Amino acid sequence: DGGITQSPKYLFRKEGQNVTLSCEQNLNHDAMYWYRQDPGQGLRLIYYSQIVNDFQKGDIAEGYSVSREKKESFPLTVTSAQKNPTAFYLCASSGNREGNTEAFFGQGTRLTVV
Amino acid sequence: AQSVSQHNHHVILSEAASLELGCNYSYGGTVNLFWYVQYPGQHLQLLLKYFSGDPLVKGIKGFEAEFIKSKFSFNLRKPSVQWSDTAEYFCAVIPSGGSYIPTFGRGTSLIVHP
Repeated sequence: DGGITQSPKYLFRKEGQNVTLSCEQNLNHDAMYWYRQDPGQGLRLIYYSQIVNDFQKGDIAEGYSVSREKKESFPLTVTSAQKNPTAFYLCASSGNREGNTEAFFGQGTRLTVV
Repeated sequence: AQSVSQHNHHVILSEAASLELGCNYSYGGTVNLFWYVQYPGQHLQLLLKYFSGDPLVKGIKGFEAEFIKSKFSFNLRKPSVQWSDTAEYFCAVIPSGGSYIPTFGRGTSLIVHP
């Protein structure tokens, strides 16, 4: 079945550690996105990539990094520089073309800093 | 940059009541519009979408939305809600012909009492 797979579902991190969240899609989509979801704040864009080997900062990129070495994969690293990393992280992808802009989402990763 | 406003942050209804959730966006050009739903513990799923044509769009589970261009609005409606509609609802906007990056509203939490 086509879709987006995020792993792990739950992640615990000690303060000062970097962690990497995985996102893989088999929808053959060009564009991929990372959003952060906090209660009452909706989905805020962290980073996005519209093509392999290229990515751009979103609205809240500070303390995060990404890579896009393969079309299928868009991992997100939450660095120790992120001041408030505890949140629910959602990965999405879309066709990035007129008439094919619907975003598909993964199940999310809940990150807790302990 | 475009923005999306969802005016109702928390809505509580009894079963069989009618529902209308507001969504307004700020963008002067052509847009693609979406409503997503997130049931407790699940990923975001598409309820309905509007690209062009008939401004009244019908989606899954009896939901519909009306695009009113002059009001920059895309309100979600359902004539009679069920307990199973308890979820968080997100409106999203994608400018047409641009970067195709989805911008989301803050979400509306709907609780339906049986």
